[in-house]
Amino acid sequence: EAGVAQSPRYKIIEKRQSVAFWCNPISGHATLYWYQQILGQGPKLLIQFQNNGVVDDSQLPKDRFSAERLKGVDSTLKIQPAKLEDSAVYLCASSLAPGDYGYTFGSGTRLTVV
Amino acid sequence: DAKTTQPPSMDCAEGRAANLPCNHSTISGNEYVYWYRQIHSQGPQYIIHGLKNNETNEMASLIITEDRKSSTLILPHATLRDTAVYYCIVRSGTYKYIFGTGTRLKVLA
Repeated sequence: EAGVAQSPRYKIIEKRQSVAFWCNPISGHATLYWYQQILGQGPKLLIQFQNNGVVDDSQLPKDRFSAERLKGVDSTLKIQPAKLEDSAVYLCASSLAPGDYGYTFGSGTRLTVV
Repeated sequence: DAKTTQPPSMDCAEGRAANLPCNHSTISGNEYVYWYRQIHSQGPQYIIHGLKNNETNEMASLIITEDRKSSTLILPHATLRDTAVYYCIVRSGTYKYIFGTGTRLKVLA
């Protein structure tokens, strides 16, 4: 089966600019997750979707980050405006259901804010 | 969610078994132990999970102590491609994974 697709692979922006990341999960996977991974740390959950509804966004900095999952398939994560500390890899993952054993992660988008 | 403690780094000779320990002393009865690994520039990859019993699949074995306060991931014949960061995670009923900093395993030729 095809994996989780993410684009772009790399992005460099200046602080205060906006940026958007795209994720296409595995076909049929109802649950989608966005993680942020800062260099040297483990991934941190930002938001979890079940179909097109938000299940958990408690760790999402809502003053600058937003995410949507239209039609319960693809998802976009946006940062507006970006700060230097947003430099990280943004990982998307999907699973059949919240309790499904094992998520499938994409390769991520590496964001550098200068 | 229970916290896990792992050594920051380990080395293993190619072809030998790699034994990666994890402490999760505050684990509760319904929490599963999961292992993922992350090869450089890739997303984390699921390896194995367990609740009480030892588990084995084509990638690895998971040994959980009887009191469930610790576990060991075993890669029976490590290869250079197993060089990665290995994460031990305790997952609760909220289904969230809380990743720590993991163990950086280096397999040496």
